Amino acid sequence: GESVGLHLPTLSVQEGDNSIINCAYSNSASDYFIWYKQESGKGPQFIIDIRSNMDKRQGQRVTVLLNKTVKHLSLQIAATQPGDSAVYFCAENGNNFNKFYFGSGTKLNVKP
Amino acid sequence: DAGVIQSPRHEVTEMGQEVTLRCKPISGHDYLFWYRQTMMRGLELLIYFNNNVPIDDSGMPEDRFSAKMPNASFSTLKIQPSEPRDSAVYFCASSWISGSLLGYTFGSGTRLTVV
Repeated sequence: GESVGLHLPTLSVQEGDNSIINCAYSNSASDYFIWYKQESGKGPQFIIDIRSNMDKRQGQRVTVLLNKTVKHLSLQIAATQPGDSAVYFCAENGNNFNKFYFGSGTKLNVKP
Repeated sequence: DAGVIQSPRHEVTEMGQEVTLRCKPISGHDYLFWYRQTMMRGLELLIYFNNNVPIDDSGMPEDRFSAKMPNASFSTLKIQPSEPRDSAVYFCASSWISGSLLGYTFGSGTRLTVV
């Protein structure tokens, strides 16, 4: 299968600071990437996506950056809040648009 | 919209028993996915359906696992016989339009414990 990995398994940030979560993907054919947030006891929740023809996409307080040269994704969360505490996953679609491969996740802890 | 509905939320069963997990996708979504999540292996795609037809079951671990989608509003994942290593959280997800993941919505999952 595909290999999608995260550099940091756990990230602790102070409330109000910006957070950056990184992700490496392995398949250069992947053309669609998604970041998900998973809170305890819940299913993954869509945060933001990006297609391979873009380098950057912004949402509300979140920005995803894509560097295809080094096959790297990052999720930036501005003014991190306690409610942002969760596990964040990146996913790539590999060679099949409907078959997504998920990274192992990064746990974000927001300290008040 | 109630989202993707899974039942039961928790299931504890003895090794060797049959387990059936249920999923109701979001109305109008034409793709349905079954995932398994464990600490060791993360989120793994087991099988997915398009218009009630299984498209890719290469992620199904072994013959003890089977999935059906008799209609557009219902799917089951069955494990028979269950084993302790099947203990995991099983998620169902559905999506709209071929390949559009903006509509890719997960259910809350079923936590399965096989003792």
